[in-house]
Amino acid sequence: QQQVKQSPQSLIVQKGGISIINCAYENTAFDYFPWYQQFPGKGPALLIAIRPDVSEKKEGRFTISFNKSAKQFSLHIMDSQPGDSATYFCAAFSGTYKYIFGTGTRLKVLA
Amino acid sequence: GAVVSQHPSWVICKSGTSVKIECRSLDFQATTMFWYRQFPKQSLMLMATSNEGSKATYEQGVEKDKFLINHASLTLSTLTVTSAHPEDSSFYICSAGQGALGTEAFFGQGTRLTVV
Repeated sequence: QQQVKQSPQSLIVQKGGISIINCAYENTAFDYFPWYQQFPGKGPALLIAIRPDVSEKKEGRFTISFNKSAKQFSLHIMDSQPGDSATYFCAAFSGTYKYIFGTGTRLKVLA
Repeated sequence: GAVVSQHPSWVICKSGTSVKIECRSLDFQATTMFWYRQFPKQSLMLMATSNEGSKATYEQGVEKDKFLINHASLTLSTLTVTSAHPEDSSFYICSAGQGALGTEAFFGQGTRLTVV
């Protein structure tokens, strides 16, 4: 129940395309869902986050879609750029379980 | 955004010695700090949660006597890997939380520990 399942494991997208990464959770106690971007040898950087009372949140080229009934949320990267090539982690947080991270998606955007 | 500084960014130590890693929140007071360990191409595994002025809470399977955590102030937490062995070599990352229960977490840049 504490797992967050993330897919795909890796993703290759052409420059200008849309990158979509999906996550699913089991525990309804989770109440905060951030996405992190991590470059090799660096710590994760917060990209965008959403709470369950909102179905979508957009910040620049990054959008989170949240489906509370299905217990799923996804990250959409519009107009993907080579500089977006990184590993992306979804996470779920609750006061009891703290942060549970997905397994990560390695995104490569081709120039 | 909030800045979390982690030091050192990398360290090499001899087997049997101890290594201290510092995590500082530079522009906010962190009520909660988290320490993670990350193996290559894997996700972050929570090691422990520390709250200022109280003992850290360790996750199952994490040896609290090997990984000593001190959160002496609202801006500083330290992780000391005691009597390090090659199997302790890893990427260690801290995060500092803001908001209720440390909801919004910001990560340090990580520390690459290599034990030889």
